[in-house]
Amino acid sequence: NAGVTQTPKFRVLKTGQSMTLLCAQDMNHEYMYWYRQDPGMGLRLIHYSVGEGTTAKGEVPDGYNVSRLKKQNFLLGLESAAPSQTSVYFCASSYWPGPGLSETQYFGPGTRLLVL
Amino acid sequence: GDSVTQMEGPVTLSEEAFLTINCTYTATGYPSLFWYVQYPGEGLQLLLKATKADDKGSNKGFEATYRKETTSFHLEKGSVQVSDSAVYFCALPLNTGNQFYFGTGTSLTVIP
Repeated sequence: NAGVTQTPKFRVLKTGQSMTLLCAQDMNHEYMYWYRQDPGMGLRLIHYSVGEGTTAKGEVPDGYNVSRLKKQNFLLGLESAAPSQTSVYFCASSYWPGPGLSETQYFGPGTRLLVL
Repeated sequence: GDSVTQMEGPVTLSEEAFLTINCTYTATGYPSLFWYVQYPGEGLQLLLKATKADDKGSNKGFEATYRKETTSFHLEKGSVQVSDSAVYFCALPLNTGNQFYFGTGTSLTVIP
C-alpha cells in the first residue's frame, strides 16, 4: 500500500515551458487535491476533485489546469510556467466525509519545482 | 470567513522542554479541528484531531483540547524530543469538498 505518490520529485523548467505533475493514490479515495507550499504562506489549495471526471477551483487556480480521468490519478498541468510558480507542490486525497463532516487528508511527499 | 491563526515561529527548545503552539479559530458552527505535522522532506500527516467542543485529541505524546469558550486548539507536549523537530499546522475544515484552511505553520527545532 503506497498511499499517495507524486511524480516527479524535482523538476527545473524554463519560463514558458509546460509540464504535468502526476498524483496517484491506492486508497480508493473519492476526493483529491493539489496544493502549493511557499515560505511563510502555509498551504494554498490550487484545484480539487470530488470524484472521477470532476474538478473544481481552489484558492489559487490561475496558471494551472487539472484532470481526473481515473479515480486513482489527479494530474496538475502548467501550460506556460512562470517564475512565480516556483514552489513545492503537494497532492492529497481523502474519503468522502459525508454531509457536514470532515475527513483526514493524506498527503504525498511533494514535488519541488523551480522555474527559471 | 472561516480561518485559523497560528502562533508564528520558529520555535527552538531543548530536549525535554514543554511545548505549546497556539492556534485560534474563526468558524461558523463547531467544526472538527486538526493538527498536522510535516517532517523534513515529507508531506503533511495527521497528528491529532478533535471532533467536538471539549474533546481532547492526542497522539505521540501531543495533546490539544477543543475549547469553544476561547475558540482555541493549542498543541502541547510535556517533554519534546529531537525527533519532534518538524513544522506543525493547525487546520480547519471548510464547508465544501472536505477542503481545509491550513495555518501558516510553526517550525519547531529541538536541540539535544
